[in-house]
Amino acid sequence: GEDVEQSLFLSVREGDSSVINCTYTDSSSTYLYWYKQEPGAGLQLLTYIFSNMDMKQDQRLTVLLNKKDKHLSLRIADTQTGDSAIYFCAESMSEDSNYQLIWGAGTKLIIKP
Amino acid sequence: DSGVTQTPKHLITATGQRVTLRCSPRSGDLSVYWYQQSLDQGLQFLIQYYNGEERAKGNILERFSAQQFPDLHSELNLSSLELGDSALYFCASSAGRDRPYEQYFGPGTRLTVT
Repeated sequence: GEDVEQSLFLSVREGDSSVINCTYTDSSSTYLYWYKQEPGAGLQLLTYIFSNMDMKQDQRLTVLLNKKDKHLSLRIADTQTGDSAIYFCAESMSEDSNYQLIWGAGTKLIIKP
Repeated sequence: DSGVTQTPKHLITATGQRVTLRCSPRSGDLSVYWYQQSLDQGLQFLIQYYNGEERAKGNILERFSAQQFPDLHSELNLSSLELGDSALYFCASSAGRDRPYEQYFGPGTRLTVT
């Protein structure tokens, strides 16, 4: 079945790198996503990666995908207080499933000064 | 701002009542998705519409229904409300043909059932 798992909390010091991890079980996942949710706000699409890619970089964000281990990570370089949020990992399948998203529980990123 | 709008922002109602949540997708987007975010069950996909037609159903209760209108806005109807229906309801839209795998979310409607 479909299942996406993430640890619930991550605490890092301002200026350090944050690495948020996610594992998924469905090997037919085609797209994997990271969304950000700030307190009282909606879900912001941060980045996504196709399952045939290993890595994607976008400014301070680096996504790594290990398809063999079904492991996805999001690295945020030079973490700032504005990065405090809950980060959700999500997967979707190919067109047959109409890209509906299956979500992890979210990782709350806490920034220490 | 994602370009997806949802109204109302907050809704407080009593058990047994019926409410309608409204979503306007980004300009040009044909696909609308509804998701529920609750403390108990996290984020769950409810239902998807594409250009007026139902495309996929997820964990949507029979008391809930949705539709997408010719102008592409969508409504989610929740009836016979129970305390457990209290949640944040999100709508998302995607282009349908061009990058259909990118979903952009509205700010959500927070429903409180008392």
